[in-house]
Amino acid sequence: EVQLQQSGAELVKPGASVKLSCKTSGYTFSNYYMSWLKQMPGQNIEWIGNIYGGNGGTGYNQKFKGKATLTVDKSSSTAYMDLSSLTSEDSAVYFCARLQLRSYWYFDFWGPGTMVTVSS
Amino acid sequence: DIQMTQSPASLSASLGETVSIECLASEGISNSLAWYQQKPGKSPQLLIYGASSLQDGVPSRFSGSGSGTQYSLKISGMQPEDEGVYYCQQGYKYPYTFGAGTKLELK
Repeated sequence: EVQLQQSGAELVKPGASVKLSCKTSGYTFSNYYMSWLKQMPGQNIEWIGNIYGGNGGTGYNQKFKGKATLTVDKSSSTAYMDLSSLTSEDSAVYFCARLQLRSYWYFDFWGPGTMVTVSS
Repeated sequence: DIQMTQSPASLSASLGETVSIECLASEGISNSLAWYQQKPGKSPQLLIYGASSLQDGVPSRFSGSGSGTQYSLKISGMQPEDEGVYYCQQGYKYPYTFGAGTKLELK
């Protein structure tokens, strides 16, 4: 059974950074891309970027370049996202989701999300 | 970026009623279209991929259709557990983008 476990909620101060994790099980981590997505309260879902579990190759939404940095640890089948220089606009729920390709790209399994609150 | 426009923004359906949600892409996306259901406080769940392929485990009352720039999700026989917000998503071109969502409630 594919499972994505995300780290717990974070309360961080403006200007600080935070590192979120997404630990996977139930599939071969190095054979898939992992995506990260942002959802502000009551808002739409935004795609932040992808990282390939095999070699760490990345693709980012231009909007999040400089804000988000994606990494992986193959030994623990875990994906990470660093968010830097946090502001109130970064307060949101962040999801990791496995990116699947069966002729088309889509997100087939999602983590439960990590809520990040930026507040002094 | 490809803009995904969903309609309606919200709708209310009776038990057993058939409902349809539309998604319009700002350019052709060659059937690279997925639909998700999200319930309050939960992560989105995949329903349909490739415009019309049903994800494993999803009830057959859900179906997808469309081509080019116009796509739709149909629920044939509304059930109480179908309440939630539905999103379309294009996977044709970076950045992947989502529609703003359609909130579906049981009347």
